[in-house]
Amino acid sequence: QKEVEQNSGPLSVPEGAIASLNCTYSDRGSQSFFWYRQYSGKSPELIMFIYSNGDKEDGRFTAQLNKASQYVSLLIRDSQPSDSATYLCAPRPSGTYKYIFGTGTRLKVLA
Amino acid sequence: DTGVSQDPRHKITKRGQNVTFRCDPISEHNRLYWYRQTLGQGPEFLTYFQNEAQLEKSRLLSDRFSAERPKGSFSTLEIQRTEQGDSAMYLCASKRQGANTGELFFGEGSRLTVL
Repeated sequence: QKEVEQNSGPLSVPEGAIASLNCTYSDRGSQSFFWYRQYSGKSPELIMFIYSNGDKEDGRFTAQLNKASQYVSLLIRDSQPSDSATYLCAPRPSGTYKYIFGTGTRLKVLA
Repeated sequence: DTGVSQDPRHKITKRGQNVTFRCDPISEHNRLYWYRQTLGQGPEFLTYFQNEAQLEKSRLLSDRFSAERPKGSFSTLEIQRTEQGDSAMYLCASKRQGANTGELFFGEGSRLTVL
């Protein structure tokens, strides 16, 4: 089992719809999580950080964390073509220095 | 804050040649990471420095790869006797010790093509 699992996609949604991106992790010691966005040919950039069970909202983005189910998700409301990118999930390291990234989910927002 | 800088941005080399990449982290960041990323995959951890000390290194990294951070500022990643499988984007990232979220700040990457 991979440490961090994401569906590679592509996930295609129409403009204005809600995009739902999911991530599962194997280390029960993981307490907080990052969501990075990576445009094609560019480097990852942080868009959300969540450390508590439940929801965290920032503009059109909502991160959801369920530690009991070892599941973290990212919802993008009112999706725009500019949201088309790969979204990477990574737990904050626990007991190690290295950040482990999932394979990322490629999102395509169709105009 | 000038961001994480990597050089060169692109490198094309022939199989068997050595290549070196440089990373300049954000000035107050004492922690530095190297990652490798291939198409359709997430960044894969290579190595980690805290100041000048290399504290963690991936077991996947062959002896052909070496990284240094001699004065705790910039870092270099050298690949000796390159192979076609080394073709990838090499990403450098840095973070500040004690930062609240622990977020990594990535450079724009150095893309390596081995012919």
